[in-house]
Amino acid sequence: DAGVIQSPRHEVTEMGQEVTLRCKPISGHNSLFWYRQTMMRGLELLIYFNNNVPIDDSGMPEDRFSAKMPNASFSTLKIQPSEPRDSAVYFCASSWTGLSGNTIYFGEGSWLTVV
Amino acid sequence: AQSVTQLDSQVPVFEEAPVELRCNYSSSVSVYLFWYVQYPNQGLQLLLKYLSGSTLVKGINGFEAEFNKSQTSFHLRKPSVHISDTAEYFCAVTFSGGRDDKIIFGKGTRLHILP
Repeated sequence: DAGVIQSPRHEVTEMGQEVTLRCKPISGHNSLFWYRQTMMRGLELLIYFNNNVPIDDSGMPEDRFSAKMPNASFSTLKIQPSEPRDSAVYFCASSWTGLSGNTIYFGEGSWLTVV
Repeated sequence: AQSVTQLDSQVPVFEEAPVELRCNYSSSVSVYLFWYVQYPNQGLQLLLKYLSGSTLVKGINGFEAEFNKSQTSFHLRKPSVHISDTAEYFCAVTFSGGRDDKIIFGKGTRLHILP
């Protein structure tokens, strides 16, 4: 299996621009997670989906952030408009539900810099 | 509420010396416990996990961890570290017996291997 695939791997954008991060989870997994990692705040859960439905979006920082999962094999995280404080590494991860204790598999991350 | 505390943000250790990375958790219900490792510029990957049974869990790359219910701890150990162990290590916890895949991560411990 190819693992969790994220794109782009790196993005540099100007403040005010729209940013869209993409994720393809592992085939057969039905939980998907978006995390943000910064030096100051560590690893933060932004949102997670189960069977394509958002279950908990309490970690989404503000209305500028939105996430969608139109089908089992694709999800997006959008920031509009972007700000310099959004600079971070954004990880997508997936897992199989039905049993607690299952492993979560992470993608390689999307490194976002907003200037 | 569940929480995870990693007591050390950074741990320096000489190559071939033993290391212990500490993790304590708080939960009113039974838990599943994990250690994930993040190598530089990569996503997180599972090192080992405790679900049930033997309290001593062996993982990849010679790491092991011991679940101590009375101390609510899940410390990670390796008898002899190598330069390639340089990474950030995350302890994590989730509920047992439920269907919730939400996993709570600690803030991470950076392991610095000194030559």
